[in-house]
Order: sequence, then C-alpha cells, then structure tokens
Amino acid sequence: KAGVTQTPRYLIKTRGQQVTLSCSPISGHRSVSWYQQTPGQGLQFLFEYFSETQRNKGNFPGRFSGRQFSNSRSEMNVSTLELGDSALYLCASSPGTGREQFFGPGTRLTVL
Amino acid sequence: GENVEQHPSTLSVQEGDSAVIKCTYSDSASNYFPWYKQELGKRPQLIIDIRSNVGEKKDQRIAVTLNKTAKHFSLHITETQPEDSAVYFCAAPQALSMNTGFQKLVFGTGTRLLVSP
Repeated sequence: KAGVTQTPRYLIKTRGQQVTLSCSPISGHRSVSWYQQTPGQGLQFLFEYFSETQRNKGNFPGRFSGRQFSNSRSEMNVSTLELGDSALYLCASSPGTGREQFFGPGTRLTVL
Repeated sequence: GENVEQHPSTLSVQEGDSAVIKCTYSDSASNYFPWYKQELGKRPQLIIDIRSNVGEKKDQRIAVTLNKTAKHFSLHITETQPEDSAVYFCAAPQALSMNTGFQKLVFGTGTRLLVSP
C-alpha cells in the first residue's frame, strides 16, 4: 500500500495570509489526525477526523480548521497566519480508533 | 484526563551501551502502546508496539515492557549504535468518551537520544 502523502512539502507565506494543507491517508484508513511540530518540541495535537467528522480537537485557536472528504483525504486550513505558525505540520492516518498511526512526510510551513 | 509522561527528555550514551526510556499513562483502559522514532528532518516512524495482553515484546535490539498495574511502559535499546540517535516518542490511547468507545492516541513529549561513537 502507498503510504501517507502530504502536499505541498514546503510552503512560504507572509503574515496575514491563509494556507491550506492536504493529506491523503493510506488506502482503507478512515482516521486522519493532524499535528504541529516546532523545533525541539513534541507533537502538538491539532485535530482528528473520522468518516468526515471531527472527532477530537486540541488546544489551538479557531484560525486552525480542517475537514475530511468522503474518500478520507483531509485538508487543514490556517487563516490569518502569524509568525508563530511556522512549523512542520504532520498528518497521520490510522485504521481505527486508538490504533497505530502512520505519519506523512509533513509540510514545512514558513511564515515571514 | 489525558496524560502521557515521558522521561528522560534527553539521553546521551556511548555506542554499545543500553538506553531505557520510560513512559507513564493515566487511562487504565489503555490497551495499546506504540513507540515512534523520528530522525532529524524525517517523519515519526513506528518502531515497535505492545498490547496489554503481553508484558514484553522484543525485536532484535529493541524491546518494550509493560506494567499495567503501575501504568508504565518502557523502551529498551541494547548495543546502541550511532544510527539510533533520534527523538523517540511513546503513545497511549485515551478514551474520548465512555459512550462512543472512541479513543485518541496521546503522545509523550519525546526523548532525544544521542549515541556517541
């Protein structure tokens, strides 16, 4: 099976802009989770989608949003970008609840 | 509440030594405990996992032990090599709701392992 893919891999934006990141899970996986990782930091949970429904949300402001499509592909949107949003954004797909997660390569976002 | 504590945050060893990373969790219903390795600039990769019906699992130089009574699990790496240098994350499932049966995977804060030649 093909692994988790994320597009784009790198992105440079300026403050105030908005950005959309995409994640395609492993075929058959219905759960997609998103994480933010900054240098030296762990995996900060953003949200999880399962069968097009947001099942869980982390402690991030409302500027961070997401959605999942019927084919399980997921998008994450960040509006009104701030310098502190510069990070590696990872998505992970899972076959089910509380199961092993498989990570994509990430999208490295730089906000200038 | 959700809580997975991981220690130490950094660990430096000499090549050939053993390394042990420990995690504790809070949800007594947790039944699956994976470990991930993240090399510099790469994605976290699942390296080993254990389910609550066993106490230990080994895969070549790595092993994971689980103590359900004490709610802690550990990663053991023997005969460490420089290529073992990475950040290691533990994780445990946390129930979202008693009614839905859904769980989310909660990650520890990571351990940076440095193996010196």
